[in-house]
Amino acid sequence: KAGVTQTPRYLIKTRGQQVTLSCSPISGHRSVSWYQQTPGQGLQFLFEYFSETQRNKGNFPGRFSGRQFSNSRSEMNVSTLELGDSALYLCASSWSGGTNAPPSYEQYFGPGTRLTVT
Amino acid sequence: AQSVTQLGSHVSVSEGALVLLRCNYSSSVPPYLFWYVQYPNQGLQLLLKYTTGATLVKGINGFEAEFKKSETSFHLTKPSAHMSDAAEYFCAVSGGNTGKLIFGQGTTLQVKP
Repeated sequence: KAGVTQTPRYLIKTRGQQVTLSCSPISGHRSVSWYQQTPGQGLQFLFEYFSETQRNKGNFPGRFSGRQFSNSRSEMNVSTLELGDSALYLCASSWSGGTNAPPSYEQYFGPGTRLTVT
Repeated sequence: AQSVTQLGSHVSVSEGALVLLRCNYSSSVPPYLFWYVQYPNQGLQLLLKYTTGATLVKGINGFEAEFKKSETSFHLTKPSAHMSDAAEYFCAVSGGNTGKLIFGQGTTLQVKP
């Protein structure tokens, strides 16, 4: 199976602009979570989507938003970029269970998108 | 509420020596615990997990961890370090059927020849 893919891998944006990052989960995984990783704050949970609905949300301002499509692919958007938004954004997917199989609780991560805001 | 504390932001060992990375957690519900490894410019790779059942769990690359409820710990060990083990290691906790992981601050493992 192909792993979690994220595009683009690198982005450079200017303060005030907006950005959209994309994540394709492992085939069959319906849960997609997003994390922000910075040297100062470490790994912080942004939000989780399951079946096109936001199921969990972290403590980030409303400038950070996301969505999930019917094929489980997910996008996150950051509007009005600030210098502090420079980070590695990681997407992870997990198996949420099915008729004949229980959920697994581990998450599988993509390589991340490195966002630099200047 | 849940939290994770990793003791020691940097750990240095000699090649062939025991690796011990410490993780303590706090959780108001039965915890699901994970160790991930991150190599430079890469995402996180799952090393091992504890959900239920056996408290000693074995993972990839010779790593293992023991869940100790009384000590609220989930320390990661490897009997003999290899140069390729040099990386950053993260302990994480979740409350089960959620897509939210709470991570520790990470421990950078240095392996000296």
